[in-house]
Amino acid sequence: AQSVTQPDIHITVSEGASLELRCNYSYGATPYLFWYVQSPGQGLQLLLKYFSGDTLVQGIKGFEAEFKRSQSSFNLRKPSVHWSDAAEYFCAVVMRGFQKLVFGTGTRLLVSP
Amino acid sequence: DGGITQSPKYLFRKEGQNVTLSCEQNLNHDAMYWYRQDPGQGLRLIYYSQIVNDFQKGDIAEGYSVSREKKESFPLTVTSAQKNPTAFYLCASSMGAATQYFGPGTRLTVL
Repeated sequence: AQSVTQPDIHITVSEGASLELRCNYSYGATPYLFWYVQSPGQGLQLLLKYFSGDTLVQGIKGFEAEFKRSQSSFNLRKPSVHWSDAAEYFCAVVMRGFQKLVFGTGTRLLVSP
Repeated sequence: DGGITQSPKYLFRKEGQNVTLSCEQNLNHDAMYWYRQDPGQGLRLIYYSQIVNDFQKGDIAEGYSVSREKKESFPLTVTSAQKNPTAFYLCASSMGAATQYFGPGTRLTVL
């Protein structure tokens, strides 16, 4: 079955440190890939997306993600975390030509001073 | 201001009542979606609509109903048949099979 795995439920990072959130997917072909961020009680905001082309994708708020076909991964990174980055992050994929977006279970990021 | 609005932000329902959650978009998107979010389970698709007067069930449609009479609007009714309706409900829209944009959500609580 098609699935998206975010293996880390919680991650704590010191302010100013680098961040990497992991995402793996299980699909027969390369899907479209997304990262969303959600603050408590809010909707989801799109951080970045990958459809094709350059496998390193830049997004908003200083985030980037790298698509690795061989590892079926789409990890999210940020070189220096700010306290305002504390939120929940969701990886999501959709098969090309389909509309059903499949989400991972999310990773909650905590930022320590 | 273009975007997706959901109302109300908070909604309380008594056992046995139907309630309707509103979702409106002015992005001129063709497709609209309803998701349910529970702690630790990510988002699950309830219903989606690709065009006016047409919609399809998602993964957890039982106990829910929708309509799509206008391109801008996609209301969700949570019926009394939904046994565990307390959750955060998110509406989204997209232009075709592409990037989905989300509204601010409605938190439904059953009393």
